[in-house]
Amino acid sequence: GAGVSQSPRYKVAKRGQDVALRCDPISGHVSLFWYQQALGQGPEFLTYFQNEAQLDKSGLPSDRFFAERPEGSVSTLKIQRTQQEDSAVYLCASSQLGAHEQFFGPGTRLTVL
Amino acid sequence: QKEVEQDPGPLSVPEGAIVSLNCTYSNSAFQYFMWYRQYSRKGPELLMYTYSSGNKEDGRFTAQVDKSSKYISLFIRDSQPSDSATYLCASLSYNTDKLIFGTGTRLQVFP
Repeated sequence: GAGVSQSPRYKVAKRGQDVALRCDPISGHVSLFWYQQALGQGPEFLTYFQNEAQLDKSGLPSDRFFAERPEGSVSTLKIQRTQQEDSAVYLCASSQLGAHEQFFGPGTRLTVL
Repeated sequence: QKEVEQDPGPLSVPEGAIVSLNCTYSNSAFQYFMWYRQYSRKGPELLMYTYSSGNKEDGRFTAQVDKSSKYISLFIRDSQPSDSATYLCASLSYNTDKLIFGTGTRLQVFP
């Protein structure tokens, strides 16, 4: 089935390295969301796109975090100068009908050493 | 205080039991209430959502929202070992696209 896909599934980075996480939403889904999930916690909102427009980035924890969706389909979450506290699972979700019906990808597990 | 509170469990029940999972919330602007199931090392899977107060049933699952007490429930009938997962409640207000999640309740159904 054509669900949300994310790559890589696992990423290990040394502190200070830059990383890029990719999300392929369900085809035709206008809305795309990024979340951060720490161990034992629920997902926390990072940012939201409608097509290529980033409408809400209030959840991005610092200016080291940057997301883009240049053609309104694939999205990339970039983290610059990674820190140990960035270690988490990064989840992407897409939606066609509205934020109440989001479909999540499997996530990218980022470990910063 | 978090906007959505959820007991992390774990909750351990025998196969066939009725399971009750609960959340409370504090934001009166919340209008949509969702339940997600998350298996280990997988992304959350939407089980069902409810708009405003009331009940919604889907197979063995029933979601219930009481806006007067700001209480959200998910009932699982005839629980199965395959229901063992973490269950996340989430809420959404009418003027935002930001899902607010609880911490999740870990459920284990043993044979």
